[in-house]
Amino acid sequence: EDKVVQSPLSLVVHEGDTVTLNCSYEVTNFRSLLWYKQEKKAPTFLFMLTSSGIEKKSGRLSSILDKKELFSILNITATQTGDSAVYLCAVRVGGGSEKLVFGKGTKLTVNP
Amino acid sequence: DVKVTQSSRYLVKRTGEKVFLECVQDMDHENMFWYRQDPGLGLRLIYFSYDVKMKEKGDIPEGYSVSREKKERFSLILESASTNQTSMYLCAALTSGSSYEQYFGPGTRLTVT
Repeated sequence: EDKVVQSPLSLVVHEGDTVTLNCSYEVTNFRSLLWYKQEKKAPTFLFMLTSSGIEKKSGRLSSILDKKELFSILNITATQTGDSAVYLCAVRVGGGSEKLVFGKGTKLTVNP
Repeated sequence: DVKVTQSSRYLVKRTGEKVFLECVQDMDHENMFWYRQDPGLGLRLIYFSYDVKMKEKGDIPEGYSVSREKKERFSLILESASTNQTSMYLCAALTSGSSYEQYFGPGTRLTVT
């Protein structure tokens, strides 16, 4: 059974802190790994990773994939209250039909 | 701008009612998905479809059915709603081509009383 596990499940930090969110996976037909941010609405896309060791960056957010150890991390530097959200990790699996397998998410709260 | 729309943002139904949740995408994507999202359980896949009239069960299909008569529309049907189907329902679309984003609709919060 395909599985995606995120840790921690929740995290509370102060503005300015740096956080690292973890995502590990066990799937049969890996295509890519995606990160989403979900506030009080539908998830919005952050990053897609397919190759090991190549960091994707967008402002204060960055992510990297390790295909040998089957995990990814999402880093947020200099956190702001607007970063408070649930961060979802998903693995796109291929084969006969394509789908995403989601982790349960990490709820990040950034306090002023 | 790509778009996935869902017919209702909020819905209240009674136990035993038949419920239709509609999802429409304007991106010509082959794959469409229905998820439910509950606190502590994350996003769980109910059904997905990779082509017109094709469907596959996800992780929690019991109590649900789907219909995909046209490429742009994917409907989730609760034949006889129950209180444990109270949840946030999210529809999504994904292309099998080079694009990799899965676009989500705004969600429907369904309450079954």
